[in-house]
Amino acid sequence: GEDVEQSLFLSVREGDSSVINCTYTDSSSTYLYWYKQEPGAGLQLLTYIFSNMDMKQDQRLTVLLNKKDKHLSLRIADTQTGDSAIYFCAETLSGGYNKLIFGAGTRLAVHP
Amino acid sequence: DGGITQSPKYLFRKEGQNVTLSCEQNLNHDAMYWYRQDPGQGLRLIYYSQIVNDFQKGDIAEGYSVSREKKESFPLTVTSAQKNPTAFYLCASSIEVPSSGGADEQFFGPGTRLTVL
Repeated sequence: GEDVEQSLFLSVREGDSSVINCTYTDSSSTYLYWYKQEPGAGLQLLTYIFSNMDMKQDQRLTVLLNKKDKHLSLRIADTQTGDSAIYFCAETLSGGYNKLIFGAGTRLAVHP
Repeated sequence: DGGITQSPKYLFRKEGQNVTLSCEQNLNHDAMYWYRQDPGQGLRLIYYSQIVNDFQKGDIAEGYSVSREKKESFPLTVTSAQKNPTAFYLCASSIEVPSSGGADEQFFGPGTRLTVL
């Protein structure tokens, strides 16, 4: 079935790296996405990765995909207070309309 | 500036009343979407529209209705039939609903928080 799971909370110190993890169940995922939501706001697409890729890097963001284990991670280097937000993992599946399936979101808290 | 606007930001409704949430985009996107967000949960798809005058039910369409008379606009009506309407509602758009194999880059509005009193 369709299921995307994330841990609900992560706390890191400013300047450290953050790693947010996500697992999904459907092996027919085509794309996997990371969205960021700041308080009271909409979602902002950070990055996405095609399912036949292992890694994608974009400035401070690194996405790792382990397709065998159905595990996706987002690493934020040199985490800043402005990175405090909820991060959503999402997937689209092959076949028909590629709707986005979201996880429940991980709340990242960055402290001094 | 191109983007998606939603109004109002906060909305209060009495039980038994219908209410319409506005969503407008000037990105020239064909596809538009409505999601509902509840605390501690991911987004759930209510309705989506691939093109003007066409729309499809999502996973939780019961108690909601939409229209797509213009490319720029995709209003959502929360009817009195929706049992638990208090939530944060997000509208999104993308260039097109991708066919199988394409990435779905959706752009989100700022959301409307609906509270039923």
